[in-house]
Amino acid sequence: KQEVTQIPAALSVPEGENLVLNCSFTDSAIYNLQWFRQDPGKGLTSLLLIQSSQREQTSGRLNASLDKSSGRSTLYIAASQPGDSATYLCAVNNFNKFYFGSGTKLNVKP
Amino acid sequence: GAVVSQHPSWVICKSGTSVKIECRSLDFQATTMFWYRQFPKQSLMLMATSNEGSKATYEQGVEKDKFLINHASLTLSTLTVTSAHPEDSSFYICSARGPPDYTDTQYFGPGTRLTVL
Repeated sequence: KQEVTQIPAALSVPEGENLVLNCSFTDSAIYNLQWFRQDPGKGLTSLLLIQSSQREQTSGRLNASLDKSSGRSTLYIAASQPGDSATYLCAVNNFNKFYFGSGTKLNVKP
Repeated sequence: GAVVSQHPSWVICKSGTSVKIECRSLDFQATTMFWYRQFPKQSLMLMATSNEGSKATYEQGVEKDKFLINHASLTLSTLTVTSAHPEDSSFYICSARGPPDYTDTQYFGPGTRLTVL
């Protein structure tokens, strides 16, 4: 069974810092990997989707990379802002099933 | 873009009653929908996969007689929590597999907060 781990569990940084969130998974036979943002008490907002054949995807200040062979993905956030404060989840698509990590709770201080 | 809605967004019920949650794909047909549960400060756990016109497939440890899933049309799946108890209080999120393309993207609903008193 696929297991997804996210490190760190929580992160607090001052505004303006660049930061990296990590996601690792045990079964490299994935179809794609997706990063989501979840605000407290809310649903999921999709940030980036990386297909298994891709190495990275970029959207604005966000960049996600994927190393399928080593079972790792990173989400890079440039020039962090207080509005980036949320929980970030990575989800691995194992052909019909999504497996979620436990998330990284990010707090960006003004 | 593809939008998935859930209704209700929150519900409070008494212990022993049943609650139905709807998940709709608004602008696309979804042959497959998924139901997740999220306990406080925990991640999403897949409960079941719902396929239009057939029985749902439940994950290990999920009671199919307690969590009834019906996917009667290509745009609607329902989750009924039967004889709800306080331990069923959770955030329930559905997702729908998007229109057929190479990305196999799932689109998530906004979630339903269930509180059982």
